[in-house]
Amino acid sequence: GAGVSQSPSNKVTEKGKDVELRCDPISGHTALYWYRQSLGQGLEFLIYFQGNSAPDKSGLPSDRFSAERTGGSVSTLTIQRTQQEDSAVYLCASSLGQARRVEAFFGQGTRLTVV
Amino acid sequence: AQKVTQAQTEISVVEKEDVTLDCVYETRDTTYYLFWYKQPPSGELVFLIRRNSFDEQNEISGRYSWNFQKSTSSFNFTITASQVVDSAVYFCALRKMGTGRRALTFGSGTRLQVQP
Repeated sequence: GAGVSQSPSNKVTEKGKDVELRCDPISGHTALYWYRQSLGQGLEFLIYFQGNSAPDKSGLPSDRFSAERTGGSVSTLTIQRTQQEDSAVYLCASSLGQARRVEAFFGQGTRLTVV
Repeated sequence: AQKVTQAQTEISVVEKEDVTLDCVYETRDTTYYLFWYKQPPSGELVFLIRRNSFDEQNEISGRYSWNFQKSTSSFNFTITASQVVDSAVYFCALRKMGTGRRALTFGSGTRLQVQP
């Protein structure tokens, strides 16, 4: 597609349930990021994928959070046993991952509300 | 460790005024990238510019200009003759160049309100 696509746009879930958030990066982009933005806050790095390399998971806040990227394209962020503090906008971004073409392009985000 | 500071939490100007958004960064890396992003009320982050640490030439794009000063670790963004459509949250970000950690480190953002 033309841009980074995220689904769903909005998700309301009950505390304790698991959720899956999906990201379709720009075609041909080998690098993919997940960030979290809490209400009125800055962007918190979660995880980074680059091609077939091991992902950088250093930003995942707890072991309830995991992500995978299948076939070097679509990525899924999974949050298990959701808590109210997980409520935020989850942003996905992709980039070419090449030197001098490193700018990341962001999707519209998934707004997660845990009730 | 990397850090990006945007000390101005919120700025309000009247249309046609010039406004400068400050960005100060800290990094131990000798080569790095700097970015500015715009987040309008719709929520999507829009890429504005990327700068390499070895290129200190300032850049102008229409009403936007960026001043990169390595000596003061600053990468400031000026909007000339601001317009209502410039109202948004603006984020400055930093990323290491080359191998290693590729995550972008963002500042906390500056909310710009342009009043008609």
